[in-house]
Amino acid sequence: GAGVSQSPSNKVTEKGKDVELRCDPISGHTALYWYRQRLGQGLEFLIYFQGNSAPDKSGLPSDRFSAERTGGSVSTLTIQRTQQEDSAVYLCASSFRGLAGNTIYFGEGSWLTVV
Amino acid sequence: EDQVTQSPEALRLQEGESSSLNCSYTVSGLRGLFWYRQDPGKGPEFLFTLYSAGEEKEKERLKATLTKKESFLHITAPKPEDSATYLCAVQMGSARQLTFGSGTQLTVLP
Repeated sequence: GAGVSQSPSNKVTEKGKDVELRCDPISGHTALYWYRQRLGQGLEFLIYFQGNSAPDKSGLPSDRFSAERTGGSVSTLTIQRTQQEDSAVYLCASSFRGLAGNTIYFGEGSWLTVV
Repeated sequence: EDQVTQSPEALRLQEGESSSLNCSYTVSGLRGLFWYRQDPGKGPEFLFTLYSAGEEKEKERLKATLTKKESFLHITAPKPEDSATYLCAVQMGSARQLTFGSGTQLTVLP
């Protein structure tokens, strides 16, 4: 597709359930990022993938959060045993080769509400 | 500690009233400073990347400038459709992720 595609666009889940959020980056982009944005706040870095290299997981807030990237393209962010504080928009982004200064393009986000 | 601070948090302008948004940073090894626009319920939309002090970039009514300590986003004769949250982010050292400020929420009144 032309842009970064994320699904679902909205998800309401019960506390304690697991959720999976999907990201399809721009074709040809090897770098993929996940960010979290709580209501009225800035973006928090979660994880970064570049090609076949080991991901940078330094932003993951707890071991309930994990992400994988299959075939160097689609990525899935998984949140286990969701808590109310996990409610946020989860934004995926991609860039060409992840080089310094390369433009990073964002998707529209997956809005997660934990009730 | 590396930090990105945006000011003001919120700004209300009359249509046609020019102003500037500020992004100050204390980082080591700046590789790029990025400006994004974010509309409610949407993902950030890329505006500019600045790489070195003295650099300037323009797009329509927006002009971004960069010094060694801060960046400004100048808005000339704004229109109501310029209303949005403007985000500043830096990429530093060997890191490939962006570190974001908390944004400036701009409202342009007709």
